Amino acid sequence: DIVMTQSPDSLAVSLGERATINCKSSQSVLHISNNKNYLAWYQQKPGQPPKVLIYWASTRESGVPDRFSGSGSGTDFTLTISSLQTEDVAVYYCQQYYSPPYRFGQGTKLEI
Amino acid sequence: EVQLVESGGGLVQPGGSLRLSCAVSGFTLSDHYMDWVRQAPGKGLEWVGRTKNKANSYTTEYVASVRGRFTISRDDSENSLYLQMNSLKAEDTAVYYCVAWYAGSARDWGQGTLVTVSS
Repeated sequence: DIVMTQSPDSLAVSLGERATINCKSSQSVLHISNNKNYLAWYQQKPGQPPKVLIYWASTRESGVPDRFSGSGSGTDFTLTISSLQTEDVAVYYCQQYYSPPYRFGQGTKLEI
Repeated sequence: EVQLVESGGGLVQPGGSLRLSCAVSGFTLSDHYMDWVRQAPGKGLEWVGRTKNKANSYTTEYVASVRGRFTISRDDSENSLYLQMNSLKAEDTAVYYCVAWYAGSARDWGQGTLVTVSS
């Protein structure tokens, strides 16, 4: 099984500042056949289901503000929020969908 | 508009069974991979299982902790996804979400249904 490890577990960032969350997989999630990383990022606010922000490691989902970006390849990935807004307070998860079980990271709580 | 609405959650005793449903609208169910994901109270997300689309023979996959106890099925004609849960344990207590995948993105999630396993 591929284990997903996020860092840090929690993060406090000032409004307008950059927030960076890391995700490391225990095995590569890069599929050689299509050169795609099977890695997604989600945002979850209290009482709501998760919402996908980024898929294929760096493709922003439609409607997601461009202050959110994803990067990385292989086993190391990063979610960056370029300028933190109050509505970005949430828990963020990465997930690999390369091979089952399609595990999530433990989550990173982002606060202001 | 795409909608996923879960139902069937509730209180069940350890060892009991429950069947969750997910009614979908706004897309053709047979074209899409569908997952069940759960979240224990105050905890993180756990992938439970998947049914692939018609083109991939509706193949199912499960996390080890539920394999042999949980079964995912679907009725495309009824636009519904199901999760049959048997031999329930206290650690199965969670909000269960159904999730629709589109070309590499888990774009649509239901609001979830709470399952509580307790005597």
